[in-house]
Amino acid sequence: GQSLEQPSEVTAVEGAIVQINCTYQTSGFYGLSWYQQHDGGAPTFLSYNALDGLEETGRFSSFLSRSDSYGYLLLQELQMKDSASYFCAVRRPLEAKAAGNKLTFGGGTRVLVKP
Amino acid sequence: DSGVTQTPKHLITATGQRVTLRCSPRSGDLSVYWYQQSLDQGLQFLIQYYNGEERAKGNILERFSAQQFPDLHSELNLSSLELGDSALYFCASSAHITRGPKEGYTFGSGTRLTVV
Repeated sequence: GQSLEQPSEVTAVEGAIVQINCTYQTSGFYGLSWYQQHDGGAPTFLSYNALDGLEETGRFSSFLSRSDSYGYLLLQELQMKDSASYFCAVRRPLEAKAAGNKLTFGGGTRVLVKP
Repeated sequence: DSGVTQTPKHLITATGQRVTLRCSPRSGDLSVYWYQQSLDQGLQFLIQYYNGEERAKGNILERFSAQQFPDLHSELNLSSLELGDSALYFCASSAHITRGPKEGYTFGSGTRLTVV
């Protein structure tokens, strides 16, 4: 089977740095994605790591270690608008056919940013 | 506007009833995915279609079914509804396999289903 583990909740103050860890166990692995979801909103794509290392996109960075089945999302210079749930998701091949891909999501980490 | 359109945005219905949720993918995307999100839960994969064909099934109940039409829009049919089916139902689309994975999935704004 497959599972993704991430903390359920993190609280931090404005301007701080938050790291959300994600460990995964899946059959087949293409890469690790991160999505942000505000309450009542749609998940929006943040980043994708297919290879080991750090990917930086503005205040957000994402890291992957394939050998450790581990990744993290780093949120820097936290702002109030960053209060949301963050999901890691493993992109893996479909079981039956080669074309396409499939995302399996973790349970999400709720980040609460305080003034 | 993400480019993925879901209708209706809200739906309230009684137990035992049947509803249809509709999704139009982003222009050019051939894959459509349906996800269920219950209160304070993660996204549970239900089913995927690619260019009209079913490609993968997740934890989808037998009471639920879906299809993708020639114009690529998709419908998720939920029947014999139970209280526990109350959730947000998201549709997402993605580009053809030849496009880079860095684009990720594009989600619609979801349909909030309340079964009373």
